[in-house]
Amino acid sequence: GAGVSQSPSNKVTEKGKDVELRCDPISGHTALYWYRQSLGQGLEFLIYFQGNSAPDKSGLPSDRFSAERTGGSVSTLTIQRTQQEDSAVYLCASSWTSGSGTDTQYFGPGTRLTVL
Amino acid sequence: AQSVTQPDIHITVSEGASLELRCNYSYGATPYLFWYVQSPGQGLQLLLKYFSGDTLVQGIKGFEAEFKRSQSSFNLRKPSVHWSDAAEYFCAVAPRSGNTPLVFGKGTRLSVIA
Repeated sequence: GAGVSQSPSNKVTEKGKDVELRCDPISGHTALYWYRQSLGQGLEFLIYFQGNSAPDKSGLPSDRFSAERTGGSVSTLTIQRTQQEDSAVYLCASSWTSGSGTDTQYFGPGTRLTVL
Repeated sequence: AQSVTQPDIHITVSEGASLELRCNYSYGATPYLFWYVQSPGQGLQLLLKYFSGDTLVQGIKGFEAEFKRSQSSFNLRKPSVHWSDAAEYFCAVAPRSGNTPLVFGKGTRLSVIA
């Protein structure tokens, strides 16, 4: 079946603009994660959705970052008033059930965000 | 706080040579352990994972990893490297309780030379 898809694959924006990044998880996966991959920082967790529960937002770096997941499927990560330090690859992952350590996370190809 | 250390930022090996990528973790208890590979421009692909049982885990593409509790390590190995193995490799852990995301090491970039 189809894997995790993300769009756009590349996004170039100007400092101060808002951007929206989209993630389509694998059908039936109840857990969805957003990570950020930047030079020198490796992969950092941003936010996690599990079913209808309130999301775990503990990894969001500032209140300019937010995410939603509609209908338990598609998720959108929004970055408001982008800054140059937001430039990174944003990766989405999904997994089957509870999102515990036993559930393998499957990753999308990522969105490369460049803030000029 | 939990952490994952991959001490080697960049490794170069000759095609056909053996490979070992190091991973050490710091956790209160043995977590679940994973190795992912990221080829240029691609997302992360799971190579293998350790949950319990046999401490030598076989994965895809001829990779294996060995969990050593006494050393808090989960090193990745391959007996004979192919040019197509050139990529970035990430070790990751997740706790055995609660629902938390993966904690990743900073990655090791593998270059393969003829």
